[in-house]
Amino acid sequence: DTGVSQDPRHKITKRGQNVTFRCDPISEHNRLYWYRQTLGQGPEFLTYFQNEAQLEKSRLLSDRFSAERPKGSFSTLEIQRTEQGDSAMYLCASSLLGGRGNTGELFFGEGSRLTVL
Amino acid sequence: QKEVEQDPGPLSVPEGAIVSLNCTYSNSAFQYFMWYRQYSRKGPELLMYTYSSGNKEDGRFTAQVDKSSKYISLFIRDSQPSDSATYLCASDTGGFKTIFGAGTRLFVKA
Repeated sequence: DTGVSQDPRHKITKRGQNVTFRCDPISEHNRLYWYRQTLGQGPEFLTYFQNEAQLEKSRLLSDRFSAERPKGSFSTLEIQRTEQGDSAMYLCASSLLGGRGNTGELFFGEGSRLTVL
Repeated sequence: QKEVEQDPGPLSVPEGAIVSLNCTYSNSAFQYFMWYRQYSRKGPELLMYTYSSGNKEDGRFTAQVDKSSKYISLFIRDSQPSDSATYLCASDTGGFKTIFGAGTRLFVKA
């Protein structure tokens, strides 16, 4: 297994356009997360899936954002009507549910960098 | 107030120095404490993982957690230029959400 992969690595779009990012997690991992990271900041939690169920969404995730994980495999994050404030690195991570029910180690992809002009 | 606070640096040290990186947190429910390392244009990778208070050592790296003062530390001995990266402290309650600090940029000069 080659780890978490994300596509595209970099997307430049004009304000108002829709964009979609894809994440392929490590195959045996049951949890998948989306984080957003802006320059000089740490990753901020957006949402997570346990298998195919989306169990939590951050208040950062406005109604222009939607995430799916059909069949509990890959995930997509779509941003509709992009705004300049959406410019950021979108990181996907996956993990195995820990023995104590904790998050466990997060394995991150290399991220999808979004630039909204 | 952010749940995990971290001085963003940058921190510049000569090769061979001992590096001390620190964070504070505010959520008493945090039980798990992590340090992630992030190289430029890469995703974070786990460096150290600690449950509750105490010390953990792994090679040149030592992580310390003091829950009484809500203080998290990472020490790097004999620092190398390859250690130059952003170091992110992180915590979670044992649920689903890991909270990250802003990260400290470290430069180790040869």
